[in-house]
Amino acid sequence: DVKVTQSSRYLVKRTGEKVFLECVQDMDHENMFWYRQDPGLGLRLIYFSYDVKMKEKGDIPEGYSVSREKKERFSLILESASTNQTSMYLCASSLVGGAREQFFGPGTRLTVL
Amino acid sequence: QKEVEQNSGPLSVPEGAIASLNCTYSDRVSQSFFWYRQYSGKSPELIMSIYSNGDKEDGRFTAQLNKASQYVSLLIRDSQPSDSATYLCAVNENGQNFVFGPGTRLSVLP
Repeated sequence: DVKVTQSSRYLVKRTGEKVFLECVQDMDHENMFWYRQDPGLGLRLIYFSYDVKMKEKGDIPEGYSVSREKKERFSLILESASTNQTSMYLCASSLVGGAREQFFGPGTRLTVL
Repeated sequence: QKEVEQNSGPLSVPEGAIASLNCTYSDRVSQSFFWYRQYSGKSPELIMSIYSNGDKEDGRFTAQLNKASQYVSLLIRDSQPSDSATYLCAVNENGQNFVFGPGTRLSVLP
């Protein structure tokens, strides 16, 4: 079974703090993704990576950065958290090539006060 | 802008009935299609994938794809209260990125 894990299920931070969300997958997937999910807005892609040290902006990259130093790990960084970044953050991974389904981690519910 | 549209619901069906969930997409080059189920407070889990026109059955679930009409649907037979969830349609064109629909909330009434 594919396993995607995220470092925290719930996180509470203060405005202006630097926040790290970590994601690890154990199935040697090339592609990794970060989404945020908000009521009424669905899943929105923040960043994705198709290889180590490679990253591509998704639909809403502003205020976020990412890091992928190892194939199995993809980190999302909020340089200076703001209240409008309060959301559910979901990491996913998939194999590259063809039509490959994405597998999701359990999600991190981040609250920025 | 590539779009995937779904009726947000809620769609309410009685226990034992067939639930029909629909999805349309705007990008004609889309090649693969997925249905995810998401329970409240949980992450999406894949339940079906379909790549060719026609029907694909897996247990109580049937996915239907019509590329000419840019339409994909999910039928759930013998609906159970445990099927109550939000169902997300996802469309993939290049093997990497997905476009997700907003989801349809299904409620199966005992």
